[in-house]
This record gives sequence, structure tokens and C-alpha cells, in this order.
Amino acid sequence: NAGVTQTPKFRVLKTGQSMTLLCAQDMNHEYMYWYRQDPGMGLRLIHYSVGEGTTAKGEVPDGYNVSRLKKQNFLLGLESAAPSQTSVYFCASSRRQTTNTGELFFGEGSRLTVL
Amino acid sequence: DQQVKQNSPSLSVQEGRISILNCDYTNSMFDYFLWYKKYPAEGPTFLISISSIKDKNEDGRFTVFLNKSAKHLSLHIVPSQPGDSAVYFCAASGRYGADKLIFGTGTRLQVFP
Repeated sequence: NAGVTQTPKFRVLKTGQSMTLLCAQDMNHEYMYWYRQDPGMGLRLIHYSVGEGTTAKGEVPDGYNVSRLKKQNFLLGLESAAPSQTSVYFCASSRRQTTNTGELFFGEGSRLTVL
Repeated sequence: DQQVKQNSPSLSVQEGRISILNCDYTNSMFDYFLWYKKYPAEGPTFLISISSIKDKNEDGRFTVFLNKSAKHLSLHIVPSQPGDSAVYFCAASGRYGADKLIFGTGTRLQVFP
């Protein structure tokens, strides 16, 4: 059971380049999320989706776009990468929640460096 | 404005002893609290949680305590094992809305023999 899979695991970009991070989950979860982790900052929510075709902004959405065309996939795009976007990105998913138990299933992370 | 704070960036404990990780929060509307564990090069994994209607939840060697009046929660690991060495994040959420899960900055626990 793969769970949550992120690709690529590592990427180096030059300032201004674009790229897409792909997240795939095989647990039939309704909710999917993109977080970034930076030293001393914990995990911060970038964007999330509560179902196929829906997306919403999280805590730090600027400079990122997302799409959820299929239930199992959640894409995170950087249109014009900046050094401030150097980070480790985590995708997560969770089942539909009538109350917020908050249990998320995370991928292994994608380390992005912007030069 | 950090709503969930873990003021100790690191903790070192001898194997077999108790590890106590602390977390403070500022938002009295938080309804659910969780602890996640993260090994290097892996994603965080859910460890234990507690609802605001309880003051204690236990799961094997792990116990989470919640003190709502002090806006403080703690994770106790007894006995500590070398495999517990990891970064521990506390997180908090409101009653509804998965987007409201707020993470602390993490505490690195090292358990030495």
C-alpha cells in the first residue's frame, strides 16, 4: 500500500523557472493538502482541497497554484520560482471529516532548492 | 503570531527514562490536539491525539495531557526507547475545517543508551 506518493523527491531550480510537484494518494481520501516545512517555522499550509475539482488557500498561498483534477492527485505549481520558496514540501491526505480529528497521512516530502 | 508553540527545540533523554515534550497554544477555540512524529527523510506520522473535552489520553507508552486553563499540552513517553528519537510536532485544530490544523515548530528528541 503506497499511501501518499510525492514526485519528484529532489529538485534544484533557478530563479524564475517553473515546476510542478505531483502528489498521489491511493486511500480514496477526500481531502488533500500541501505544506511546506522550514527551519524554525514548523509545517505551514499552502493550499488544500476538500474534493475533486476544489481548491482553497491556506496560510502561505502566495507564489503557488494547485489543481485537483482527479480525486487521487493534487498538483502544486510554482510559476516563477524564488529563493524564498526553497523548502521541503509535504503533501498529505485525509478522509472526509464530520468533525476535525485532524489525522493526516503525509508523503515523504520533496526538497526544493531555488538558486 | 505563533498560535502553537514548542519552546524547546531539542530534548535529550536516557533510554528507559521518561520523555516529556511540551506545547503551548494561544487560541482558546482550538478543539482538538495532536502529536506527530517525524523521522529524517520521512513525512510526519500521526502519533496520538486528544479532544478538548478530555484531559488525558493514553496509548501504550504515549500519554498526552491537556491543561485547558493553562493552554498547555504535553506528551509523555515512558519508557523512552532509542527508536523514539525523532522530531515531534504538536498541532491544534478548530472543531470544523481541516484547513485549520496549526502545527508547532517541533522538538527534536534524542534518546541515548
